[in-house]
Amino acid sequence: GQSLEQPSEVTAVEGAIVQINCTYQTSGFYGLSWYQQHDGGAPTFLSYNALDGLEETGRFSSFLSRSDSYGYLLLQELQMKDSASYFCAVRDEGGGFKTIFGAGTRLFVKA
Amino acid sequence: SAVISQKPSRDICQRGTSLTIQCQVDSQVTMMFWYRQQPGQSLTLIATANQGSEATYESGFVIDKFPISRPNLTFSTLTVSNMSPEDSSIYLCSSSRGTGGRETQYFGPGTRLLVL
Repeated sequence: GQSLEQPSEVTAVEGAIVQINCTYQTSGFYGLSWYQQHDGGAPTFLSYNALDGLEETGRFSSFLSRSDSYGYLLLQELQMKDSASYFCAVRDEGGGFKTIFGAGTRLFVKA
Repeated sequence: SAVISQKPSRDICQRGTSLTIQCQVDSQVTMMFWYRQQPGQSLTLIATANQGSEATYESGFVIDKFPISRPNLTFSTLTVSNMSPEDSSIYLCSSSRGTGGRETQYFGPGTRLLVL
């Protein structure tokens, strides 16, 4: 089966750094992605890791360790607009290229 | 990025009726995906729709309840049949773009369905 685990909620203050962890268990693995979703909106793509290491895109970075089946999303210089839900997702090539999402982490950014 | 539109954006339906949701992508894509999301919950994959073949359904979802059409490479429909209040949810259409394994998944704005 496939499963992803991530914390349900994280709270941080403006300007801080927050890390959202994700562990996964899949029958096949083709990469770990992160998506952001604001209330009432559709999920939007943030980052993708297929190989071990850190990928940086502006204030957001994502890390993957395939040997540990673990990744994280790092958000720096937090802004109020970063308050949203963040989903890790795995692309399971063995399952017909479908993407399976974690339960999501609700991030609250306080002033 | 891909532009995906869905119709209707929302609807209120009576139990026992059916609703067909349309999804249009701005360019040709091989696979389209249909997800369901309860408010505050994660996205659950219903099925994968390939052009020219039957949709592939995930565990817990069946074709009789959620028939899918994929008549061409830019369009798909999902029908929620014989609806009950438990079908109240947000239904999201999605497609992928990219090559070499670095594919990004794009989502439509969603269809908010309330079944009374």
